[in-house]
Amino acid sequence: EVQLVESGGGLVQPGGSLRLSCAASGFTVSSNYMSWVRQAPGKGLEWVSVIYSGGSTYYADSVKGRFTISRDNSKNTLYLQMNSLRAEDTAVYYCARVIVGQVYWYFDLWGRGTLVTVSS
Amino acid sequence: QSVLTQPPSVSEAPRQRVTISCSGSSSNIGNNAVNWYQQLPGKAPKLLIYYDDLLPSGVSDRFSGSKSGTSASLAISGLQSEDEADYYCAAWDDSLNVPVFGGGTKLTVL
Repeated sequence: EVQLVESGGGLVQPGGSLRLSCAASGFTVSSNYMSWVRQAPGKGLEWVSVIYSGGSTYYADSVKGRFTISRDNSKNTLYLQMNSLRAEDTAVYYCARVIVGQVYWYFDLWGRGTLVTVSS
Repeated sequence: QSVLTQPPSVSEAPRQRVTISCSGSSSNIGNNAVNWYQQLPGKAPKLLIYYDDLLPSGVSDRFSGSKSGTSASLAISGLQSEDEADYYCAAWDDSLNVPVFGGGTKLTVL
């Protein structure tokens, strides 16, 4: 079955760190573009980061310099290392597979999400 | 403030038809494909429409998408109670160089 399963969320103090994982099955992470998208409580969707199949990485301005996206090809797993966490980073974090073309960019597969709460 | 603009909420009776609008600009909707996502209560988003008007396998043909200029619409016909959800439009933005979302529209089936 093709699916994504996130883990690693939890409660962390402001300024702390957390690493999210997203285990993929049914397809190869390294052959695809993979993203993280977050949703603050009661709010809309916000794109966070992407890693291209070639390894290039990009980030939303709100997390640039604090978050790092990576993958482990041997484990077929996507990661999001989050440092210097702030209260405004509190959200459900979804990993998603990205389909990209010249004029299109969409998320065709989503995980169930993992909740990150930043609070003292 | 979202880059793409959607109405916060819409409502309609069962078996009727409803449309949800999504307004953008030349750097996003005007130049790139629009996608729609459905988020059922307490669930993860799910791709509903891609490339303006295409349905992924398994999505009911009661859902349809359209685009004109810098605006797009999602239409749902034959409304059912299970259609109650939040709906998000999205597109790549050439100026920001990121994918952007609308703020979401909550659909209530009366």
